[in-house]
Amino acid sequence: ILNVEQSPQSLHVQEGDSTNFTCSFPSSNFYALHWYRWETAKSPEALFVMTLNGDEKKKGRISATLNTKEGYSYLYIKGSQPEDSATYLCAPQDNFNKFYFGSGTKLNVKP
Amino acid sequence: DVKVTQSSRYLVKRTGEKVFLECVQDMDHENMFWYRQDPGLGLRLIYFSYDVKMKEKGDIPEGYSVSREKKERFSLILESASTNQTSMYLCASSAPRGPYNEQFFGPGTRLTVL
Repeated sequence: ILNVEQSPQSLHVQEGDSTNFTCSFPSSNFYALHWYRWETAKSPEALFVMTLNGDEKKKGRISATLNTKEGYSYLYIKGSQPEDSATYLCAPQDNFNKFYFGSGTKLNVKP
Repeated sequence: DVKVTQSSRYLVKRTGEKVFLECVQDMDHENMFWYRQDPGLGLRLIYFSYDVKMKEKGDIPEGYSVSREKKERFSLILESASTNQTSMYLCASSAPRGPYNEQFFGPGTRLTVL
């Protein structure tokens, strides 16, 4: 079982603040890295999938980077909005199609 | 849009009962998964299936079984529910392996075993 660590566990920010979280994982048998957003009472939904070292992905105010050599990924949110409040999960995927989910970073954005 | 639906959002059962959690996906996905999520822990894989009538144990299969008689439906069975199986259960599906085979999730079933 891969040990996936996400930090911080929770984050409280004011509307307009920018924030970032970290996902750390062992770099062996790495195939891809997935980020999900999980809003309360909804299904987790995919944000990004990244496969190559140095990958950067962006969707609106949210972006992510990947370093497969050192085993980490960062998720950035620029100008947080209350609707960004959710738990953000990362999941490295190995060569056998298995996902290993971290425990998530719970973000609360106050208006 | 991919739809993954789960039979119940909330379920309360008694210790020793047999419990069925149903999951249906409408995208003709080969792969289906059952996870549980507990506070402070990541999603943990219980069982998965790569095809009809096929099943593989995940990381925490003890106390659970599964059934996949049709491609679109994957059932999780708690043979004799216990209080330590109180949890949020999530079903997911995905297409066969590839660089972008994200897993699509259902909304979850919060099961309480009394």
